[in-house]
Amino acid sequence: GEDVEQSLFLSVREGDSSVINCTYTDSSSTYLYWYKQEPGAGLQLLTYIFSNMDMKQDQRLTVLLNKKDKHLSLRIADTQTGDSAIYFCAESTVNTGFQKLVFGTGTRLLVSP
Amino acid sequence: EAEVAQSPRYKITEKSQAVAFWCDPISGHATLYWYRQILGQGPELLVQFQDESVVDDSQLPKDRFSAERLKGVDSTLKIQPAELGDSAMYLCASSPYTDTQYFGPGTRLTVL
Repeated sequence: GEDVEQSLFLSVREGDSSVINCTYTDSSSTYLYWYKQEPGAGLQLLTYIFSNMDMKQDQRLTVLLNKKDKHLSLRIADTQTGDSAIYFCAESTVNTGFQKLVFGTGTRLLVSP
Repeated sequence: EAEVAQSPRYKITEKSQAVAFWCDPISGHATLYWYRQILGQGPELLVQFQDESVVDDSQLPKDRFSAERLKGVDSTLKIQPAELGDSAMYLCASSPYTDTQYFGPGTRLTVL
């Protein structure tokens, strides 16, 4: 079955880079996603990567995918206090033609001034 | 920019009462999802619609939860009767067929 694991907490200083890691189990995943959730809010799509890619860069965000090890990471360059939130990794599989997302438990990022 | 709408944003109820949540997906999105997110955890899928049809409700506690999307547009999720363990954030998401999911702001349910 599918399972997604993340570390629970990361603390960085403003201006540093943040790296949030995720491991997943389903080798048939088609897409892997990163979502951001601020307190009391819904999930905001940050970025995603197709399973046949190794890297994707989008402004301050860099996603690295190691498909052999089933390891996904999100790097945030020049981290700002506004980046403080919970970050969820999710793997996507398509079952009988329909997409299903399985989420990790989330990594809480705290950015201090 | 089009967004998924949900209401109410917050709901407080007593156990054994009935509650209902509403979701309006992004226009044109055929697929609609209801998730439950318990505090400190990631979202878990409750039910998935393709147009007006349910395609996955394997994790929906059918003895007390029901969901409908009668005209294939907006959707309602109902809990009757509510239990203390139902306290959670209920998230709605929508997507074009087999594509990225976009989430609404959620409904925070507290059962007393």
